[in-house]
Amino acid sequence: DIQMTQSPSSLSASVGDRVTITCRASQSIGRYLNWYQQKVGEAPKVLIYAASTLQRGVPSRFSGGGSGTEFTLTISGLQPEDFATYYCQQTYTTPRFGGGTKVEIK
Amino acid sequence: VQLLESGGGLVQTGGSLRLSCAGSGFVFSSYAMSWVRQAPGRGLEWVSSIGTTGADTYSADSVKGRFSISRDNSKNTLYMQMNNLRAEDTAVYYCAKDEPWGGCRSATCLFDSWGQGTLVTVSS
Repeated sequence: DIQMTQSPSSLSASVGDRVTITCRASQSIGRYLNWYQQKVGEAPKVLIYAASTLQRGVPSRFSGGGSGTEFTLTISGLQPEDFATYYCQQTYTTPRFGGGTKVEIK
Repeated sequence: VQLLESGGGLVQTGGSLRLSCAGSGFVFSSYAMSWVRQAPGRGLEWVSSIGTTGADTYSADSVKGRFSISRDNSKNTLYMQMNNLRAEDTAVYYCAKDEPWGGCRSATCLFDSWGQGTLVTVSS
């Protein structure tokens, strides 16, 4: 099984900050990496797929990068509505999620 | 796209439940479907996926031999039969629709639409 490790597990940031979350795969997954945002009490929502493609309707302050085993999600200019938990997911093999990164208000 | 789960509830350890997920707003038979769960206060865990015809199924080791995914394309409905339930199966269960983005060659590529979830509580 491919393991997905996210870091950090949580972070505190202010509105307007640039935030980067890292996701590492235990073996190469090409670009089969998706990012989701989940707010409390809601279902997850797709932000980025295929490592760097922005899902339709997602603000351009979200961006994804990487390939192989190391990936990043960057939020450029954090907004109040961005405080949530973010998950990476590999679909190179049977799907697996990272442990999540909770973004909290500083 | 709408996905509406049902069938959750309180069940005793060792008991069974069948979850359903009714899909609408898309051609249900054209998309792979999956179940994902989230234990209270925990992260997302993929549970099981099924191909468009129902012939291909995949499940996490944690549920193999106990949970069975199926679909009825004539009813636009996805199912999860859960047997021999354990306390650690307590979670919100989401169904999700797959979206095969261009160039993806995996059985599942992206969970682009999710239901609102149904809570399963397993208690002794």
